[in-house]
Amino acid sequence: QITLKESGPTVVKPTETLTLTCTFSGFSLRSKGVGVGWIRQPPGKTLEWLALIYWDDRKFYSPSLEGRVTITKDTSKNQVVLAMTNMDPVDTATYYCAHRADYYNPRGPEFDYWGQGTLVTVSS
Amino acid sequence: DIRMTQSPSSLSASVGDRVTITCRASQGINTYLAWFQQKPGKAPKSLIYAVSTLQSGVPSRFSGSGSGTDFTLTISSLQPEDFATYYCQQYDSYPRTFGQGTKVEMK
Repeated sequence: QITLKESGPTVVKPTETLTLTCTFSGFSLRSKGVGVGWIRQPPGKTLEWLALIYWDDRKFYSPSLEGRVTITKDTSKNQVVLAMTNMDPVDTATYYCAHRADYYNPRGPEFDYWGQGTLVTVSS
Repeated sequence: DIRMTQSPSSLSASVGDRVTITCRASQGINTYLAWFQQKPGKAPKSLIYAVSTLQSGVPSRFSGSGSGTDFTLTISSLQPEDFATYYCQQYDSYPRTFGQGTKVEMK
């Protein structure tokens, strides 16, 4: 079955760079059509989509964060990494990674499996 | 960006009630509309995708409908485990966007 788990620091200081790792199992980023996305949720607020990477290394970013966010994959380790520079207290949120289902199935789901999330607090 | 507007932002209901949540997109999104359920402290759970297709294992009391810009999530008979927050999401174009959420509370 498909599982994902986020890992990384729980606290970062303002201006620092946040690096989060999504380690997954049950699928491969070598498989055509598959992707992994990152979504965050500030406490008490709605979900915000951040970035998405596909099996063929195409990457998409939220325009509001473009320039601060980089998404990469390590296919051999079954990992996707999100790096976010110049962290600010407003970036305090729970960060989720999610499995992007078959891109080539137009009638299929997008984010069908999610990690448990990791809370990142930005504070000096 | 496509703006997703949900209504209501919260509602109070009783077990057995029929509950309807609407989601309006600021422009047409074809059938690329998903619904998620989130309980406190938990990750969102996929309920419905492509407007009306239930994710495997989701009870049939959940249904989705709509087209173009207006979509609806219906719970035909609310169960105790359904008290949660529900989000719609469009995946027609980038950036993906979510509605602000609808919290379903016990009356």
